[in-house]
Amino acid sequence: GAVVSQHPSWVICKSGTSVKIECRSLDFQATTMFWYRQFPKQSLMLMATSNEGSKATYEQGVEKDKFLINHASLTLSTLTVTSAHPEDSSFYICSASASGSTDTQYFGPGTRLTVL
Amino acid sequence: GQQLNQSPQSMFIQEGEDVSMNCTSSSIFNTWLWYKQDPGEGPVLLIALYKAGELTSNGRLTAQFGITRKDSFLNISASIPSDVGIYFCAGQNTGTYKYIFGTGTRLKVLA
Repeated sequence: GAVVSQHPSWVICKSGTSVKIECRSLDFQATTMFWYRQFPKQSLMLMATSNEGSKATYEQGVEKDKFLINHASLTLSTLTVTSAHPEDSSFYICSASASGSTDTQYFGPGTRLTVL
Repeated sequence: GQQLNQSPQSMFIQEGEDVSMNCTSSSIFNTWLWYKQDPGEGPVLLIALYKAGELTSNGRLTAQFGITRKDSFLNISASIPSDVGIYFCAGQNTGTYKYIFGTGTRLKVLA
């Protein structure tokens, strides 16, 4: 149980284009989903927290207009990287929890974004 | 952003040896978690700790929630080649649901 999937697993795009990444909880309802970014040989850094049906909460230094998050249902959250540039190349990982309070976060397999 | 300090940063050990790593913070957490991440994949939960002083095992893995609530330890006994990977601790801040991740410990096991 508690499986989280991400799509796509990797994507290569040209600078200036937008990329959408999906995060799905497959066997549970996720009230809260989290989006992380991980640069090579570094740790996971929280970008934003999304609650179903409400606006996402972004961490300090993360541009909300560049990283659009939509949590339209209890099983799906999407992250759109708008006008992507090479410095946005990273490993994007989502996680989901059932209640968003003390429940454990279950992580997706990650999406490798490469911007040329 | 805030990160927890993990030690050591990396280690090479012989198969069969025991491994110890720790995670320290300047602030208190009410939950500590340990994850393992293989290259190109997401983190997988190993052990979750919810009470100060708690000692929990998962197979060859044992983790402890420090008494001060500012640190945690992970031990791996009789390491095997598939233990290779990056081990991250994560703390959940008191009063919030967000996880703060550690800097990671890269483990390599020599057969």
